[in-house]
Amino acid sequence: DAGVIQSPRHEVTEMGQEVTLRCKPISGHNSLFWYRQTMMRGLELLIYFNNNVPIDDSGMPEDRFSAKMPNASFSTLKIQPSEPRDSAVYFCASSTETNEKLFFGSGTQLSVL
Amino acid sequence: QKEVEQNSGPLSVPEGAIASLNCTYSDRVSQSFFWYRQYSGKSPELIMSIYSNGDKEDGRFTAQLNKASQYVSLLIRDSQPSDSATYLCAVIPQGSYIPTFGRGTSLIVHP
Repeated sequence: DAGVIQSPRHEVTEMGQEVTLRCKPISGHNSLFWYRQTMMRGLELLIYFNNNVPIDDSGMPEDRFSAKMPNASFSTLKIQPSEPRDSAVYFCASSTETNEKLFFGSGTQLSVL
Repeated sequence: QKEVEQNSGPLSVPEGAIASLNCTYSDRVSQSFFWYRQYSGKSPELIMSIYSNGDKEDGRFTAQLNKASQYVSLLIRDSQPSDSATYLCAVIPQGSYIPTFGRGTSLIVHP
């Protein structure tokens, strides 16, 4: 298996632009997480899907952030409009039902200028 | 206040020494505890999990859990420069399926 696949690896954009991050989880995994990592706040949960259904989105900072999982093999995280404070590394991770081992993608380094 | 607390470090140890990494958590009924290793510029990967009080050993790594003190630690014996990384503690509270991560402790093993 190729593991969790994220794209793009790097994204540089200007304030106000729309940003879309993509994730393909490991086949057979039914849990999917979006985390954001910064030096100041560490690894923070944004949203958790189970069987394609959003279970916990309490970590989504504000209405500018939205996430979808239209099927078991694809998820997106969208930021519209983006702001400089959104600059961070965004990780997607997938797991089996018990979430006892998360498999992380390579992350997307987002820079909003 | 962060639910999972770690000293950010860096913790610097000489090669061959024992590195001790510590983590405290606030939710008393947490049941599942994990240590992830993250190399610079890479993604976290699971190295240890522990669920009951006491020690769990895996090669050079030992995880220790004390639920009464709400404390979990990771010992790395015979530390190698290749162990230099950030170590993230993660906790899943009872009744939840979502890991909460600490900020991580940076470990530097110098030759």
